[in-house]
Amino acid sequence: GAVVSQHPSRVICKSGTSVKIECRSLDFQATTMFWYRQFPKKSLMLMATSNEGSKATYEQGVEKDKFLINHASLTLSTLTVTSAHPEDSSFYICSARPAPTGRNEQFFGPGTRLTVL
Amino acid sequence: EDKVVQSPLSLVVHEGDTVTLNCSYEVTNFRSLLWYKQEKKAPTFLFMLTSSGIEKKSGRLSSILDKKELFSILNITATQTGDSAIYLCAVDPSQGGKLIFGQGTELSVKP
Repeated sequence: GAVVSQHPSRVICKSGTSVKIECRSLDFQATTMFWYRQFPKKSLMLMATSNEGSKATYEQGVEKDKFLINHASLTLSTLTVTSAHPEDSSFYICSARPAPTGRNEQFFGPGTRLTVL
Repeated sequence: EDKVVQSPLSLVVHEGDTVTLNCSYEVTNFRSLLWYKQEKKAPTFLFMLTSSGIEKKSGRLSSILDKKELFSILNITATQTGDSAIYLCAVDPSQGGKLIFGQGTELSVKP
């Protein structure tokens, strides 16, 4: 149980294009999903917290107009990188927290590697 | 500012060795501390610790939390090459579920 998928797993795009990444909880409902960014050999940097049916909460320094987050259902959140540039190249990971259990156990997706040329 | 610090940042050992990874934290509120193992893709959950002094164990891995001194350790005994990974420590500061991650410890186990 507690499987989270991400799609696509890898994407290469040209500078200036937009890229959408999907995060799905496959066998549980997730009222909250989180989007992280990870640079090589670095830890996870939280970008935003996505709550189903409401606006995402962005961490300081993360541009909300550049990284659009939508959490339309209890099993799906999407991250759209708009007008991508080479500096946006990174490993993007989502995690999902099951509907209230009293435990903050997050389950991670396999990640999406974005390369912007 | 809430922060989580792991040490060492990297470690190279030989198969059969025992390793101890450290995680210290400073947070305004504390609910739990979590350990994850990350190989090539996403982190996989190892342990969640909420109470001081109670060891969590899973096979050759074990972890314990000291809430007075604000740290946790992750022990791996009889290491194997498959233990090679980045080990991440994260703290839940009771702020809407987000986790604060440390920098990670990159463990390399040589045959």
